[in-house]
Amino acid sequence: ETGVTQSPTHLIKTRGQQVTLRCSSQSGHNTVSWYQQALGQGPQFIFQYYREEENGRGNFPPRFSGLQFPNYSSELNVNALELDDSALYLCASSLVRTGAGTEAFFGQGTRLTVV
Amino acid sequence: GENVEQHPSTLSVQEGDSAVIKCTYSDSASNYFPWYKQELGKGPQLIIDIRSNVGEKKDQRIAVTLNKTAKHFSLHITETQPEDSAVYFCAASIGSYIPTFGRGTSLIVHP
Repeated sequence: ETGVTQSPTHLIKTRGQQVTLRCSSQSGHNTVSWYQQALGQGPQFIFQYYREEENGRGNFPPRFSGLQFPNYSSELNVNALELDDSALYLCASSLVRTGAGTEAFFGQGTRLTVV
Repeated sequence: GENVEQHPSTLSVQEGDSAVIKCTYSDSASNYFPWYKQELGKGPQLIIDIRSNVGEKKDQRIAVTLNKTAKHFSLHITETQPEDSAVYFCAASIGSYIPTFGRGTSLIVHP
């Protein structure tokens, strides 16, 4: 158990809809990163939030957006869903101090299916 | 940006044999190299990591080696067991934790 929880575990949405995925980070961690993992692929970095601000973004369009709350939990929002958005969405929490990072711990993921 | 290549994509071994997974990275500034194990239906689990100021690290049956000059690092699993069967990912990152992952190696350990 990593202490990182994601909800929901599974979700089915229709193309064009919007979805919100949630992540509760491990106690004491101040950073949350989101990843998209397509079947048979490694996780692809979407973005990272550090102390409620976006701290880096991967090659994903603006319809992927996020939030981090004062308790360091986080949301991933995806608008105008496309079939290719079907994937396992992972969040990882870590404790980042200035100039150094620590290991990240992943949640179990949310399996999103877009039909 | 960083590019991480991982080989092989599939590795099949007999129980008790050793398994080696190799990764290369492109950005010489990368200084943190974690390895993750992902079982079916679960998120990746950190199993071992190494920083650029260390050449080798061992934890029971698992070891990781790093060659900064050649920009490659490897995972070694000795005395493999059926429960080691999973997908293994290497990753590389610079400074704060935004790692780039390899594409994964599916390890199958036959009893």
